Amino acid sequence: GAVVSQHPSWVICKSGTSVKIECRSLDFQATTMFWYRQFPKQSLMLMATSNEGSKATYEQGVEKDKFLINHASLTLSTLTVTSAHPEDSSFYICSASSVRALSGEQFFGPGTRLTVL
Amino acid sequence: LAKTTQPISMDSYEGQEVNITCSHNNIATNDYITWYQQFPSQGPRFIIQGYKTKVTNEVASLFIPADRKSSTLSLPRVSLSDTAVYYCLVGGYSSNTGKLIFGQGTTLQVKP
Repeated sequence: GAVVSQHPSWVICKSGTSVKIECRSLDFQATTMFWYRQFPKQSLMLMATSNEGSKATYEQGVEKDKFLINHASLTLSTLTVTSAHPEDSSFYICSASSVRALSGEQFFGPGTRLTVL
Repeated sequence: LAKTTQPISMDSYEGQEVNITCSHNNIATNDYITWYQQFPSQGPRFIIQGYKTKVTNEVASLFIPADRKSSTLSLPRVSLSDTAVYYCLVGGYSSNTGKLIFGQGTTLQVKP
């Protein structure tokens, strides 16, 4: 099956710093990548949809200037949390999909645990 | 996007068959139904996907009635390792750019 990786798997940073998370589709071309955030014991919350070569589409309530998304190639998308604060601590998960799969099946990465001190 | 409704939690014992039903009354014509499994601190894992009738793979079966307003995930002979959260989602590229909106999911607890 399709494999999606994330790097790093966990990161601890000081308040005010920026953190970049990478999402890669290893064995297929992902025309679309999605970014989710998940707080403890809660469901996944979609943050944004990222299409290769175009600007990301953010869900309502997600600050686009704080969560910068770049989808530069068909196998890589990055999420940068700018000026991170403790309330940004969460589990960030990406997924990748190919438009050729009309069913919209998404393949998820293992997630990145962000802790902001 | 179609909203889904599932039981918040379910308990079962090892070796039993578990059926989790999901309601999606507003499913669109082109929507697919997909089930994912998630363990703590891991990304969701694809279990099964279907459009209508019945789909079976090596880990589960998915039953979809003719009106497609609900679906049932069937896990045969569960084990302790099947303890996880199960999400039912509907969507697809024909409906809305392929994005999926996660509901609360069903927390399945398998007991020895």
